[in-house]
Amino acid sequence: AQTVTQSQPEMSVQEAETVTLSCTYDTSESNYYLFWYKQPPSRQMILVIRQEAYKQQNATENRFSVNFQKAAKSFSLKISDSQLGDTAMYFCAFMNWGGGADGLTFGKGTHLIIQP
Amino acid sequence: DSGVTQTPKHLITATGQRVTLRCSPRSGDLSVYWYQQSLDQGLQFLIQYYNGEERAKGNILERFSAQQFPDLHSELNLSSLELGDSALYFCASSPQKLAGSPLHFGNGTRLTVT
Repeated sequence: AQTVTQSQPEMSVQEAETVTLSCTYDTSESNYYLFWYKQPPSRQMILVIRQEAYKQQNATENRFSVNFQKAAKSFSLKISDSQLGDTAMYFCAFMNWGGGADGLTFGKGTHLIIQP
Repeated sequence: DSGVTQTPKHLITATGQRVTLRCSPRSGDLSVYWYQQSLDQGLQFLIQYYNGEERAKGNILERFSAQQFPDLHSELNLSSLELGDSALYFCASSPQKLAGSPLHFGNGTRLTVT
């Protein structure tokens, strides 16, 4: 079974700063998918970014980018020019290559606080 | 708006009771997943249905059951409720036409067992 570890329970940065959230995972598979989801106080689960393990290029979505290190099994999320609305729980998640059976395996989350 | 609808938003009930949570997936999505989010256990995968059939089971208790109907909506039934069942229950859907399709989550049902 896969495991996902987020070692930072909470982080706090000033608005406009850049912040990096860490995620490591454990799998014996060579192909899989990785995701970051955001859960603001409204408790919605919102997809932030997606990465396919067979792609070496790091995914980017506007101010959000990842640093995917396959050999190290590391998948960190970088948020540039952080905004107050980025305050949320952030979850790293793993999906098997097999098309989504078993769904997503989530880490415990990192609570990110953006200070004005 | 993710397009996934969950009802009710909140549910308060007593121990020993039974409740039903309902989920309507995004239009065109054939897969429905149920997750439980609690403070101590985080987000736990419960069960998945694909086009009406059970496809995968996670950490779902025997007191819990689910089904997906021909119109693709799904229901999660929780019975003999205990205090520890208090949690946020999410439904998510995906098309699964392409491997690695992200899951889109509903807003959740907050269950409080007293």
